[in-house]
Amino acid sequence: GDSVTQMEGPVTLSEEAFLTINCTYTATGYPSLFWYVQYPGEGLQLLLKATKADDKGSNKGFEATYRKETTSFHLEKGSVQVSDSAVYFCALWDTGGFKTIFGAGTRLFVKA
Amino acid sequence: DAGVTQSPTHLIKTRGQQVTLRCSPKSGHDTVSWYQQALGQGPQFIFQYYEEEERQRGNFPDRFSGHQFPNYSSELNVNALLLGDSALYLCASSSLGSGNTIYFGEGSWLTVV
Repeated sequence: GDSVTQMEGPVTLSEEAFLTINCTYTATGYPSLFWYVQYPGEGLQLLLKATKADDKGSNKGFEATYRKETTSFHLEKGSVQVSDSAVYFCALWDTGGFKTIFGAGTRLFVKA
Repeated sequence: DAGVTQSPTHLIKTRGQQVTLRCSPKSGHDTVSWYQQALGQGPQFIFQYYEEEERQRGNFPDRFSGHQFPNYSSELNVNALLLGDSALYLCASSSLGSGNTIYFGEGSWLTVV
């Protein structure tokens, strides 16, 4: 079945550092891809999405490009802030199952 | 415009008891999905309700059941609670117009003791 694999955390960065969180997927067809963020004690918030190959999703300085050739959707941000500390989840829409499938999450700590 | 709302926020139950969690979808959404998120893990799909019917189910036992009402709100019921059912239970809503994007509530934290 469809699945999502993302890099293990935690990832610890200093403020203003460059962030990359790797995400690869396995799916039949070309599913929509998502990044969600979860702040401590809260539910998941949609961060960005891409619906077809070569689409770039972006929001709040975060970007991710849908790469069909490498089945990847890596999350990037040029300069992280302390307020970006959270858990980031890569996800895909399972076209055959009417559900969203999530990776295990990557915890990000940003130090001042 | 209200987002997805869930209740209760936190609750503690004893093994063997039953629990009911409630969810109101985002305005304009007609589909509700439930997820279980154990500590340190990603959300796991429990089931989805559309037009008051269970449309899809994940790999969860029959102790987990649900319902959707005519106003699209939903309930998740868990019977015969086990310690392993302790988790954050997330409700997400969507619609055809949301383009396969689901929107989450804040969740209900369930602790089974």
